[in-house]
Amino acid sequence: KQEVTQIPAALSVPEGENLVLNCSFTDSAIYNLQWFRQDPGKGLTSLLLIQSSQREQTSGRLNASLDKSSGRSTLYIAASQPGDSATYLCAVGLYKYIFGTGTRLKVLA
Amino acid sequence: SAVISQKPSRDICQRGTSLTIQCQVDSQVTMMFWYRQQPGQSLTLIATANQGSEATYESGFVIDKFPISRPNLTFSTLTVSNMSPEDSSIYLCSAKSTSGSIDTGELFFGEGSRLTVL
Repeated sequence: KQEVTQIPAALSVPEGENLVLNCSFTDSAIYNLQWFRQDPGKGLTSLLLIQSSQREQTSGRLNASLDKSSGRSTLYIAASQPGDSATYLCAVGLYKYIFGTGTRLKVLA
Repeated sequence: SAVISQKPSRDICQRGTSLTIQCQVDSQVTMMFWYRQQPGQSLTLIATANQGSEATYESGFVIDKFPISRPNLTFSTLTVSNMSPEDSSIYLCSAKSTSGSIDTGELFFGEGSRLTVL
């Protein structure tokens, strides 16, 4: 059974810092991995999708990498801003997605 | 990308009643899913809504409690039956993106339906 863990569970940083969020999964078979953000009381917004044949994806200040052999993904956020404050979730799967435990990020102005 | 609309966005329900949540996608999608997010928790997959056939439920979820319909490629409903306070959660509909005949694998979500059961 696939289990997805995110570390840290919560993170508070000053504005401008670069930061890394981690996602680990137990079944390292070939999967797609997707990162989302969730603002309080809202649905999920898709940030980046890494397909099974890819190793990383970039969008603006965000970069996500995937290492299937070790069952790990990282989300790198450059020059963090207060607007980045949200919960970040990773999800692993192909036909259906299993979600991680989430990282609650707060960027202080 | 797909735009997903859910209704109701929130509701307060009495114990023992049932509520049906509707999910509408603005384009045809290959797969639709229903998730539950309990307070302060991550998302748990309830079931995969299959077009024209019975939904596929995850361990711990049963059809009698969470009947699901999917009559076509753009619409699905989830009913939460015989509700108790433990069913108070956000219920989220999601859909797999397609680009023509290609399943791109990207998952999109509606805004969710926040249910409070008294």
